Amino acid sequence: SQTIHQWPATLVQPVGSPLSLECTVEGTSNPNLYWYRQAAGRGLQLLFYSIGIDQISSEVPQNLSASRPQDRQFILSSKKLLLSDSGFYLCAWKDRASPRTFFNEQFFGPGTRLTVL
Amino acid sequence: GENVEQHPSTLSVQEGDSAVIKCTYSDSASNYFPWYKQELGKGPQLIIDIRSNVGEKKDQRIAVTLNKTAKHFSLHITETQPEDSAVYFCAARSTGANNLFFGTGTRLTVIP
Repeated sequence: SQTIHQWPATLVQPVGSPLSLECTVEGTSNPNLYWYRQAAGRGLQLLFYSIGIDQISSEVPQNLSASRPQDRQFILSSKKLLLSDSGFYLCAWKDRASPRTFFNEQFFGPGTRLTVL
Repeated sequence: GENVEQHPSTLSVQEGDSAVIKCTYSDSASNYFPWYKQELGKGPQLIIDIRSNVGEKKDQRIAVTLNKTAKHFSLHITETQPEDSAVYFCAARSTGANNLFFGTGTRLTVIP
């Protein structure tokens, strides 16, 4: 069966420090991968998605970047964190889109709670 | 692009009563509509989904209806229980799209 992991689970970082959040998926190949941010009491904001290694699409301009060095690894980074980067970061995966898998579900990881002080 | 609106933002019901959450979408090409439940401090979990060739789908106490003409879909929870308390998100995706477009969420509280 497929599983998705995120770490760390919680993180407290000072303003101006770098960030690296990691997401890995097991039990599937060539997945679509996604990073979302959820501010307190708010909805899900799509930050990045990837349809393959080194293929990253950014949905909103921001202080963050994403990389996919391996097929099932998705990393969210920042060189200098801002207070506004605080939030709950969620990674998600879905089978690569095809007529056969189009309706496949999208699955979320457990999330990382980031607090920037 | 797609725009999904969700109402209400908060909903309180007595245990045993029904709860209904409604969403509308803008892109007539959307044809997949999942619903997610998010408990406090956890990632969203898929609870039910519906495809555009179906008008209604039911899974025990949960049902989803879809009106393609009006471009709206709804989540119905019957015989609500305290463990149903969570934030619920609707979403939509269209053919060829890589992304889901999410509603803003509904915080459901079931009062014992």
